Amino acid sequence: DIVLTQSPGTLSLSPGERATLSCRASQSFSSNSLAWYQQKPGQTPRLLIYGASSRATGIPDRFSGSGSGTEFTLTISRLEPEDFAVYFCHRYGDFWTFGQGTKVEIK
Amino acid sequence: QITLKESGPTLVKPTQTLTLTCTFSGFSLSTSGVGVGWIRQPPGKALEWLAFIFWNDDKRYSPSLKSRLTITKDTSKNQVVLTMTNMEPVDTATYYCAHSTYDSRGWYYFDNWGQGNLVTVSS
Repeated sequence: DIVLTQSPGTLSLSPGERATLSCRASQSFSSNSLAWYQQKPGQTPRLLIYGASSRATGIPDRFSGSGSGTEFTLTISRLEPEDFAVYFCHRYGDFWTFGQGTKVEIK
Repeated sequence: QITLKESGPTLVKPTQTLTLTCTFSGFSLSTSGVGVGWIRQPPGKALEWLAFIFWNDDKRYSPSLKSRLTITKDTSKNQVVLTMTNMEPVDTATYYCAHSTYDSRGWYYFDNWGQGNLVTVSS
């Protein structure tokens, strides 16, 4: 099974700063079938990115995804107050797995 | 507009079987290229994929839970049902169903989620 490891566990930043979140897979998957979700307390996950770099409908362009193989990154160019949340990476395809999450908190 | 809603018990006893229903609107599970999955999240923890059913009734299960899970669909009712046998306290979690579509390479990802159903396993 492919295991996804996210880092860091917690990211403490101020509004306006850039956030860089990492997701590392235990095995390479060439299809770039990697998604990112945002989850706020008490809410359902919200799809941000699929296909490693495609933004979902309605997602602001300050969110961007990149990477391939075993290393993937979610970048938030300038943090807005509503961006402080937990972010999960997700490998999809023949089977589906999730990372353990990165919490982006206000510094 | 795609919406999904989970329904089922909020409390089950150890060893019991959990049955959850996902009722959806805005799409048909008889349409090619559509799927529905179940995912759970223990309080304060990460998401865990459980099961997936495709429009053509093909099914996938988490290897670690396969022996306990069954996923079925009722296209006429726009519902997907998940059963999980032999529930234990560690199965306490919010259970989500989610709509799935495919990307440019034909792989299925989750794009719309239900609000979730918190299930507590306790005697």
